[in-house]
Amino acid sequence: AIQLTQSPSSLSTSVGDRVSITCQTSQGINRALAWYQQRPGKPPRLLISFASNLEGGVPSRFSGSGSGTDFTLTISSLQPEDFATYYCQQFNSYPYSFGQGTKLEIK
Amino acid sequence: QVQLVESGGGLVKPGGSLRLSCAASGFSFSDYYMSWIRQAPGKGLEWVSYISSSGGNTYYADSVKGRFTISRDNAKNSLNLQMNSLRAEDTAVYYCARVSQYWYFDLWGRGTPVTVSS
Repeated sequence: AIQLTQSPSSLSTSVGDRVSITCQTSQGINRALAWYQQRPGKPPRLLISFASNLEGGVPSRFSGSGSGTDFTLTISSLQPEDFATYYCQQFNSYPYSFGQGTKLEIK
Repeated sequence: QVQLVESGGGLVKPGGSLRLSCAASGFSFSDYYMSWIRQAPGKGLEWVSYISSSGGNTYYADSVKGRFTISRDNAKNSLNLQMNSLRAEDTAVYYCARVSQYWYFDLWGRGTPVTVSS
């Protein structure tokens, strides 16, 4: 099974900051990576598919990049509603596993 | 409105059973694979089970294989998860999710909590 490692596990940051979260996979997955946002007490929400394809309704301050084994989710200017936990998920090969999550906290 | 609504969660003793349901609306349910994903308190996301659009193929995480059974009723736009021989480690919020054709999850329900405790 493919392992996904996100870093950092948590990050204290401020409104307006630029933030990057990385997701490393144990084997190459081309661009078969999705990113999800989970606000406290809410279900996950799909943000990005195929490493960089922004889903409809997702603000343009979110972007994704990478291919192979190394991927990045970037938020260009953090807004209050962006303080949440972010998960990556690979869909290249079964079982389609998740990363452990990265929690963005207000500094 | 495109949505998934789970129900059936609750408190159950170890070794007990519970049946979760998910009502889908606003999209052509029978066209999609569906899935259950769970999240233990304070933990990350764990995929539990998939079912094909027809219901003919099912897939399970090793942690639930032989204890959980996923099923669907396309006439009623509903997804189910029968959970038997429940353990404390099955305690989690259980989410119903729609599976895109590429195997990521593009629609999630709000979840239903399951607590396994004596």
